Amino acid sequence: DAGITQSPRHKVTETGTPVTLRCHQTENHRYMYWYRQDPGHGLRLIHYSYGVKDTDKGEVSDGYSVSRSKTEDFLLTLESATSSQTSVYFCATGGRIGTGELFFGEGSRLTVL
Amino acid sequence: GQQVMQIPQYQHVQEGEDFTTYCNSSTTLSNIQWYKQRPGGHPVFLIQLVKSGEVKKQKRLTFQFGEAKKNSSLHITATQTTDVGTYFCAGLRASGGSYIPTFGRGTSLIVHP
Repeated sequence: DAGITQSPRHKVTETGTPVTLRCHQTENHRYMYWYRQDPGHGLRLIHYSYGVKDTDKGEVSDGYSVSRSKTEDFLLTLESATSSQTSVYFCATGGRIGTGELFFGEGSRLTVL
Repeated sequence: GQQVMQIPQYQHVQEGEDFTTYCNSSTTLSNIQWYKQRPGGHPVFLIQLVKSGEVKKQKRLTFQFGEAKKNSSLHITATQTTDVGTYFCAGLRASGGSYIPTFGRGTSLIVHP
């Protein structure tokens, strides 16, 4: 497996608090993605990055922001968490345009009370 | 936006029976990928199809890409308990030089021994 580490792996927080999830990769992959996985919805793209400081929105980006200051790190921030953001969050990386194979991290389970 | 529909959502089979999941896109895809997620795990890449009408095999798994590059299928022959998991298709679309994967909702395969 590609060297992708997500932290924290589990987090319980309260509505209205800020939360940051971190994705760290050691593969020097150019592309990084944040997905959320909810029952019945599969994997939905939140934000993605195609290079350092280059990011774009996915289909469910409202309430989320991202930053990528280094190739190896991609941060997902919930400025003010809501219960609807309770989910499992997966980071994924990919190296080449068109090849597109994604390597996923282990996931971060977030519960917002 | 692009939608990738996947059916069925769940499939129960007896061990030894065959299984098929179908993926349909509202737009023409550049590539399509298939992933498997074991219960409690993260998605793992299985295969990518690129050419119209392409068929690829991996042991008991057969993957097809439609002639119009809008649909795909995964067929498992003689299922085993190790095949249990959720199978996702991901359609890739070009976006400003990048390829953005859009996932279907997945088909959960339950194999009864």
